[in-house]
Amino acid sequence: GIQVEQSPPDLILQEGANSTLRCNFSDSVNNLQWFHQNPWGQLINLFYIPSGTKQNGRLSATTVATERYSLLYISSSQTTDSGVYFCAVGSGSARQLTFGSGTQLTVLP
Amino acid sequence: DSGVTQTPKHLITATGQRVTLRCSPRSGDLSVYWYQQSLDQGLQFLIQYYNGEERAKGNILERFSAQQFPDLHSELNLSSLELGDSALYFCASSPSGQVGVSPQHFGDGTRLSIL
Repeated sequence: GIQVEQSPPDLILQEGANSTLRCNFSDSVNNLQWFHQNPWGQLINLFYIPSGTKQNGRLSATTVATERYSLLYISSSQTTDSGVYFCAVGSGSARQLTFGSGTQLTVLP
Repeated sequence: DSGVTQTPKHLITATGQRVTLRCSPRSGDLSVYWYQQSLDQGLQFLIQYYNGEERAKGNILERFSAQQFPDLHSELNLSSLELGDSALYFCASSPSGQVGVSPQHFGDGTRLSIL
């Protein structure tokens, strides 16, 4: 099946800093979603972005499907941005999402 | 709020017992997916139902079963529970049965602890 790799595995930032999280995948995809798992365990849907670029406030995402990667940008980070960020992909005739192992983000005040 | 409702939020039980997790999908969504998040395995797909029919199976143990009812809510049944079944169980829903057509929306999960 498709492989999903996320980097970096851990990231510590000072409040106000910017960051870029990366997701590489091993095959063509027809679905790519970015999630934020908060400290309470909730999975928050950030972007549905199988290709192209989207922005939502301080967050934006870009997927370059032909080169098999996606980037999540967080600008002016806040302590509430802390948590784990997951990239999940769907590929071919598969019906499920395959998740990466996540990036643990800690934003310090 | 994703619109996907999972109950209960927390469940504590003992080894050998059986539990049922419930999921109500977003209004209008026909597809329900179950995922398991454990410390050692990460987030893994278990099973998918679309409009009452099983459509895909992932790494679901034989001790686990699921069904989707005519009102589209779904239940995940876990039996002969073992310590290793302790995990966060998520339900997701989407309008379509195809992963590439629309995003999946996730509930808040059920945290299962086996003592």
